[in-house]
Amino acid sequence: AQSVTQLDSQVPVFEEAPVELRCNYSSSVSVYLFWYVQYPNQGLQLLLKYLSGSTLVESINGFEAEFNKSQTSFHLRKPSVHISDTAEYFCAVSAGGGSYIPTFGRGTSLIVHP
Amino acid sequence: GAGVSQSPSNKVTEKGKDVELRCDPISGHTALYWYRQRLGQGLEFLIYFQGNSAPDKSGLPSDRFSAERTGESVSTLTIQRTQQEDSAVYLCASSPQGRGSGGELFFGEGSRLTVL
Repeated sequence: AQSVTQLDSQVPVFEEAPVELRCNYSSSVSVYLFWYVQYPNQGLQLLLKYLSGSTLVESINGFEAEFNKSQTSFHLRKPSVHISDTAEYFCAVSAGGGSYIPTFGRGTSLIVHP
Repeated sequence: GAGVSQSPSNKVTEKGKDVELRCDPISGHTALYWYRQRLGQGLEFLIYFQGNSAPDKSGLPSDRFSAERTGESVSTLTIQRTQQEDSAVYLCASSPQGRGSGGELFFGEGSRLTVL
């Protein structure tokens, strides 16, 4: 069984400030890790993913996440946020073999203030 | 269309009525998932279809919930005798299954169900 914990339900931040959204997981097997984003009134879409290889993964809009196996974490970071980054962010984990049914965290609402 | 399509986008029903939600996955995606998102909650897994294999129904909350999928095409989620606690956004996602996809899901915009 696997589980995902997103410790922060809401993260308010000012525009151009750095941000970190925390994600911890538990799993007895190797994992694939994902961050999905849900903008207001839109469906979920993939932001970035870790499958294997380099533990640091990046998105096209400046977010990055680092897979830390020893700490079972996959925190999402951005050095300077924009108003348009306001959204709900979901961390997800799926087992690295067999059926791929991702387990999602409860989500973190990122609120960027001007 | 190119994406996952869900209908209806909004459904208001009375307690005790049956509802049917439809999902059209991306063409060629062999895996299809249903999740439920209650207000202020994360995504709750309901059911998973993979090709012609038996579906994984381990997430269905009660026998009032059922889902079908014909081959690798459309899926319907049926909720019988709806209750107020069934009110939620029901999300469908599809995936090009296989190790390379790593379980990456492509979501529809959801069907918002309100049970009065």
